Amino acid sequence: GQNIDQPTEMTATEGAIVQINCTYQTSGFNGLFWYQQHAGEAPTFLSYNVLDGLEEKGRFSSFLSRSKGYSYLLLKELQMKDSASYLCAVLSGGYQKVTFGTGTKLQVIP
Amino acid sequence: DAGITQSPRYKITETGRQVTLMCHQTWSHSYMFWYRQDLGHGLRLIYYSAAADITDKGEVPDGYVVSRSKTENFPLTLESATRSQTSVYFCASSESKQVQVEQFFGPGTRLTVL
Repeated sequence: GQNIDQPTEMTATEGAIVQINCTYQTSGFNGLFWYQQHAGEAPTFLSYNVLDGLEEKGRFSSFLSRSKGYSYLLLKELQMKDSASYLCAVLSGGYQKVTFGTGTKLQVIP
Repeated sequence: DAGITQSPRYKITETGRQVTLMCHQTWSHSYMFWYRQDLGHGLRLIYYSAAADITDKGEVPDGYVVSRSKTENFPLTLESATRSQTSVYFCASSESKQVQVEQFFGPGTRLTVL
């Protein structure tokens, strides 16, 4: 089975840096996604890690350690519009099966 | 318009009624998915389809039926709606030929079963 854990809620200050952690236990790991979901909207893709290490994309970076079953999403220079839920999702199996964590609701405060 | 659409966006129904949620994508993506999202559970896979006429169960398929006669459409039917099926339903699609198998989500259907 799959088990994905991430904090339920986080609060951070505008302009700061925040790290959202995700740990997972899964069989047949193929990769890990991060999605952003604003309240009342659909999830949108942020990043995909398949190899160990850090992937940087503008203000957002994502890290993966397959041996530790661990990933984090790093958001720099936080903006108010970054207030959203961030979903960690693991890709496994042979049919693009993605299992989602319950998400971390990030609140950015002035 | 190109993309992935869902209809209706909002639906209120009664226990025992049959309800069909529609999903349409214009990218000709091979894979399509149905998820439900509930507080405390995150997104859970109901059914998925790898191509037209190929469907399979996900994590929570009970009480749901799907079909895929055309690549672009993937309707989800609740045969006899129950209150526990009150949820937000998201359809998604992805292209199997991509190495990075990002899923593109529709806007969602908010379903209330009374």
